[in-house]
Order: sequence, then C-alpha cells, then structure tokens
Amino acid sequence: SQKIEQNSEALNIQEGKTATLTCNYTNYSPAYLQWYRQDPGRGPVFLLLIRENEKEKRKERLKVTFDTTLKQSLFHITASQPADSATYLCALDTDKLIFGTGTRLQVFP
Amino acid sequence: GAVVSQHPSWVICKSGTSVKIECRSLDFQATTMFWYRQFPKQSLMLMATSNEGSKATYEQGVEKDKFLINHASLTLSTLTVTSAHPEDSSFYICSAKRGTVSSYEQYFGPGTRLTVT
Repeated sequence: SQKIEQNSEALNIQEGKTATLTCNYTNYSPAYLQWYRQDPGRGPVFLLLIRENEKEKRKERLKVTFDTTLKQSLFHITASQPADSATYLCALDTDKLIFGTGTRLQVFP
Repeated sequence: GAVVSQHPSWVICKSGTSVKIECRSLDFQATTMFWYRQFPKQSLMLMATSNEGSKATYEQGVEKDKFLINHASLTLSTLTVTSAHPEDSSFYICSAKRGTVSSYEQYFGPGTRLTVT
C-alpha cells in the first residue's frame, strides 16, 4: 500500500541547533516533493519544492534533500529559533498533493 | 503573493443542518481548487478536486452527495456539508492552483473549523 511517513510525531531541540526532519514514502514515484509549515489552526504554508532530479535545495536556513532510491527526503533547519516551532509536513506531488503525517517541531531557548 | 481566503473561519451548527464554506483566490485565477479535511493531530486528507465549470472529482470514500462542491468561477469554490453530523466536525482547508504545469503553484487558505453539535 502507499504510505508517507514522517519521523517522530514530535521533535524537541535547543535553539541554535540544526533540526532534521525525515519523510519516507513507499509505492510512490513523485515528480516533486514539497515541504510545508503549519501553525495550529492555520492552513499550510509552502516552504520548498524539490524535483526528482535534484539532490538538494536550499533557501536561507532551510535545506531539503531528495533521494529517490531510498525514497526519502530530509528537511533541515539550521540555527533553529523558537519561532521555527510548528508542524512540518512533507507532500508528494503526483498529480495531486499527498501529505505525510507531519512532525511537530518545538525549539526551546 | 497569491492569497487564498476562506469564509467563515469557524462555524458551529446543529446536527442535520447544512453548512457552506467559501474559498476564494483573491489575486489570481485558480484553474483548480482542492478541498482537504484535517482531524486533530492528523495530516491533511484530500477530499476532492474541483475544476472551474465542471464537476468535482472526489477521492475514494468521500460521499459526493454529502459534500457538495461548486466551482462557479475562477476565483470561487464552495463546499457545502449537507445534513451535518458530529463526525463531520473537522478543520476544512481549501487550496487553489494557479497555472496548469505542476502542483507547485498551489496556495492554501487559512482553514475553516466546523463544529457540529
């Protein structure tokens, strides 16, 4: 069956450290993979998109990798700040967006 | 930037009544709009895909007679939850797609919290 799993339901890290979130999928062959941020009671906000032929994408303190052999994407936030605390969702882009389960990140001072 | 609005942001209704939720793309024309449902601590589940001027395509397990979708213009789609029941209580989120090349140009609304009593 098709599945998208994100690592641990919650991730707690100290301010200034790098947060690494994982997205694993099975039985999909997405052309793109996207990462979103969702704050409580709000809709998702687009962060980054990476194509199947790209290994890595960066945007300011964010970095995404995409390994189509391992069927895995890693999402890194460097120099994390308490304002980065939110739920992060990966989404596979086939002909529609299929969302992962989400990882709740908590950055504490 | 592209802005998508939803109205209302929250609604409480009695069991058996119908509720309409609007989704508008404010500064662009949306060829396709999507409706998602999200239960607490769960991810977004796609309910249906709606293209302007045509019937919506529903995902497996979503009752089309219960969740009526109308995409009357390139900037407005509506979701009507008919004969609502407490189990329909959820967070409903729409998104709008600008362009046709990929899902990249997809923007999400702020969501509507529906509570059925």
